[in-house]
Amino acid sequence: GAVVSQHPSWVICKSGTSVKIECRSLDFQATTMFWYRQFPKQSLMLMATSNEGSKATYEQGVEKDKFLINHASLTLSTLTVTSAHPEDSSFYICSARTKLLPGGYEQYFGPGTRLTVT
Amino acid sequence: QKEVEQDPGPLSVPEGAIVSLNCTYSNSAFQYFMWYRQYSRKGPELLMYTYSSGNKEDGRFTAQVDKSSKYISLFIRDSQPSDSATYLCAFFSGGYNKLIFGAGTRLAVHP
Repeated sequence: GAVVSQHPSWVICKSGTSVKIECRSLDFQATTMFWYRQFPKQSLMLMATSNEGSKATYEQGVEKDKFLINHASLTLSTLTVTSAHPEDSSFYICSARTKLLPGGYEQYFGPGTRLTVT
Repeated sequence: QKEVEQDPGPLSVPEGAIVSLNCTYSNSAFQYFMWYRQYSRKGPELLMYTYSSGNKEDGRFTAQVDKSSKYISLFIRDSQPSDSATYLCAFFSGGYNKLIFGAGTRLAVHP
């Protein structure tokens, strides 16, 4: 299957600072990327959908000014958590689409980034 | 009623057992049916997908879809300790343009 990478895999930051997480599709071009958040023992929660060259679409309840998403190229999307607080501590996972099936897509996930805000 | 129902488990089986994981859904617009495997502290890995009723086999894994009952299953034959993970069902419809996930079932295969 296709490969999606994330960097960093783990980050600790102080409250009030900003953190940037990178997501790359390594062997395919992704016109659409997604950012998810996952709390322990819970399923994935979609935060936003990112299309290359356009503004991200945020899910209801997700603060777009706090979680800045940039999809600058067909292989790179970034998520910046601004003014991070301890409640932002979570596992952030990006995902990218590839191969247009008849009416659908294959969607691959990165390995995730564990953010801890102290 | 939730759009997708999946028993969170945990499900504990001995090595070599046949495992059955299931999801029900309510939205008849769902077109694609997927199973992901997620190891602890890792991103989900796409195992199988299908877009029609019936069975699809890949090695020890068989995905089964019954659209009339809105029920999908994943069977794992000859389960191994390395199969211990959380299994998420996922659904896609063009109307949503995004994946809808089940809660995930935690599976533990003990030697």
